[in-house]
Amino acid sequence: QVQLQESGPGLVKPSETLSLTCTVSGGSLNNYYWSWIRQPPGKGLEWIGHIYSSGSPSYNPSLKSRVTISGDTSKNQFSLELTSVTATDAAVYFCARHLRFYSSGWSYAFDIWGQGRVVIVSS
Amino acid sequence: DIQMTQSPSSLSASVGDRVTITCRASQSVTRFLNWYQHKPGEAPKLLISAASTLQTGVPSRFSGSGSGTDFTLTISSLQREDFAIYYCQQTHGSPPTFGPGTKVEIK
Repeated sequence: QVQLQESGPGLVKPSETLSLTCTVSGGSLNNYYWSWIRQPPGKGLEWIGHIYSSGSPSYNPSLKSRVTISGDTSKNQFSLELTSVTATDAAVYFCARHLRFYSSGWSYAFDIWGQGRVVIVSS
Repeated sequence: DIQMTQSPSSLSASVGDRVTITCRASQSVTRFLNWYQHKPGEAPKLLISAASTLQTGVPSRFSGSGSGTDFTLTISSLQREDFAIYYCQQTHGSPPTFGPGTKVEIK
């Protein structure tokens, strides 16, 4: 079955760039939407953005100026870059796949998630 | 952004209890409302999509209902493996947003 695994540095210095990769195993990046979601300590889940296959990114307006999501179908991976990080960017970062379905209109849910990558922001 | 609230924020219940969690949206999300279960250290799990569609493999003791702004997740007979945090999520508006979660603990 399809599995997702986040990887990347667990410690990032303030003002630097957070970079994470999600590797898709047991399936293909093609023809699906893929998202990044984060959860700061003690807080709720926040959608960061998504990508379709390896293109057409869409971002949360609250983070849009600092986020880039890209995909590499040859490696079956998609990545997150978040620039100019501060302590408020410390969180567990999840990658997830979209399940699209029709129910009185097209919608979606996140049907497969990675286990999450803890990222600390500290000098 | 559409704001999601959940109540209660936490609850204590015993195995076999019936548990109901409420999710409310700040504006109508029609039926574009999903429920997730999250256990610490694990990947979140999609339980219910489109307000009431049970995902494959999810036990039938879980059910969802509602439309518009008010939704419920019901566990008809709580089992030990159900102790977790439950989140609702709307996908009617962009960005998609989640509720703050309801922690279900053992009494």
